[in-house]
Amino acid sequence: QKEVEQDPGPLSVPEGAIVSLNCTYSNSAFQYFMWYRQYSRKGPELLMYTYSSGNKEDGRFTAQVDKSSKYISLFIRDSQPSDSATYLCAMSAYSWGKLQFGAGTQVVVTP
Amino acid sequence: DAGVIQSPRHEVTEMGQEVTLRCKPISGHNSLFWYRQTMMRGLELLIYFNNNVPIDDSGMPEDRFSAKMPNASFSTLKIQPSEPRDSAVYFCASSQERSGNTIYFGEGSWLTVV
Repeated sequence: QKEVEQDPGPLSVPEGAIVSLNCTYSNSAFQYFMWYRQYSRKGPELLMYTYSSGNKEDGRFTAQVDKSSKYISLFIRDSQPSDSATYLCAMSAYSWGKLQFGAGTQVVVTP
Repeated sequence: DAGVIQSPRHEVTEMGQEVTLRCKPISGHNSLFWYRQTMMRGLELLIYFNNNVPIDDSGMPEDRFSAKMPNASFSTLKIQPSEPRDSAVYFCASSQERSGNTIYFGEGSWLTVV
């Protein structure tokens, strides 16, 4: 079993819909959680960063962490075609060092 | 600020040849990571350095792979000899130790071994 599980999709939604993405993990030591966005033929770029449990909002993006369930989520409101990309969750136990990535979920937002 | 700079962006080489990938991390960052991404295995950490010292190379697939970081602004990942199964995108990334583990990726080096 992988340490981080993420459904690879693809997830197709109409423009304006809410996109809901999630990851589960098995290592209870993880306390730093990130979401990266990767456009085709580009490197991943950091989208959201959360420490420990709770919610974080940034514009149309909301990240949630539920450590008791070992479950993290990313919501994209009012989705746009430009949000079409692969979204990768990442996490670690320490404030530095290597990250454990999920497989990535491909999202397609259709006009 | 310039981001992480990788070269070459694309490389096609024949099996058995040596491949050298290069990386310049973001100035001031003291951690550097080499990742490999494939459809089958996703994003895998190969090795990471902290203050130019290799900290964890457990992800390096085999002895054909080697990485060096001679100074804070330059790192190489070498494959010798290359094999078709090494075809992948290789990403370099860097972070600042006290940044809460936010790492920044380069654009990747797309390697095809034929």
